[in-house]
Amino acid sequence: GQNIDQPTEMTATEGAIVQINCTYQTSGFNGLFWYQQHAGEAPTFLSYNVLDGLEEKGRFSSFLSRSKGYSYLLLKELQMKDSASYLCAVKDSNYQLIWGAGTKLIIKP
Amino acid sequence: IAGITQAPTSQILAAGRRMTLRCTQDMRHNAMYWYRQDLGLGLRLIHYSNTAGTTGKGEVPDGYSVSRANTDDFPLTLASAVPSQTSVYFCASSEEVAGGHEQFFGPGTRLTVL
Repeated sequence: GQNIDQPTEMTATEGAIVQINCTYQTSGFNGLFWYQQHAGEAPTFLSYNVLDGLEEKGRFSSFLSRSKGYSYLLLKELQMKDSASYLCAVKDSNYQLIWGAGTKLIIKP
Repeated sequence: IAGITQAPTSQILAAGRRMTLRCTQDMRHNAMYWYRQDLGLGLRLIHYSNTAGTTGKGEVPDGYSVSRANTDDFPLTLASAVPSQTSVYFCASSEEVAGGHEQFFGPGTRLTVL
């Protein structure tokens, strides 16, 4: 079966750095996406990785290792507005997204 | 520019009733999707459409049907609602199915079936 694993909840301090991990087992791989979802709102796109390595976009970076079935999302200089759920999703061999359950990130002052 | 709109925002429905959730996008995207989101679970794909005139079944299609008569609209119908269909429903679209095209999401419909 297909499976995406990520921690259920994480807590971090304002101004700090946090890394959210995602491991996956899917039938085929056509890229990995990270989305942010604030409570009661729709998911919004953060990043896309299809090749191994690090993609940096402002305070957010995403890393992929296809051989290990592993990705992480790195958030730097945390702000209170970063409190949200972070969703990892893999595009499988049918080009459909398989979603993890999400990691709820709590930022404390 | 609206992006994707969904209606209604929320609905309480009696079991056994028929219900259509509406979804419209103005980005001329080829692909559209319907997901449900339940607490503790990832988004689960109900149905999808790679292009106007075609539809396909996702992970959890039973009890739901869709149509894609044109590029902009992708309604989801519950023929006879059951309590297990209580969920938040998101419609999404992307330029194409393949590649790194991100999916854009509508604001969601919160549905309660009693």
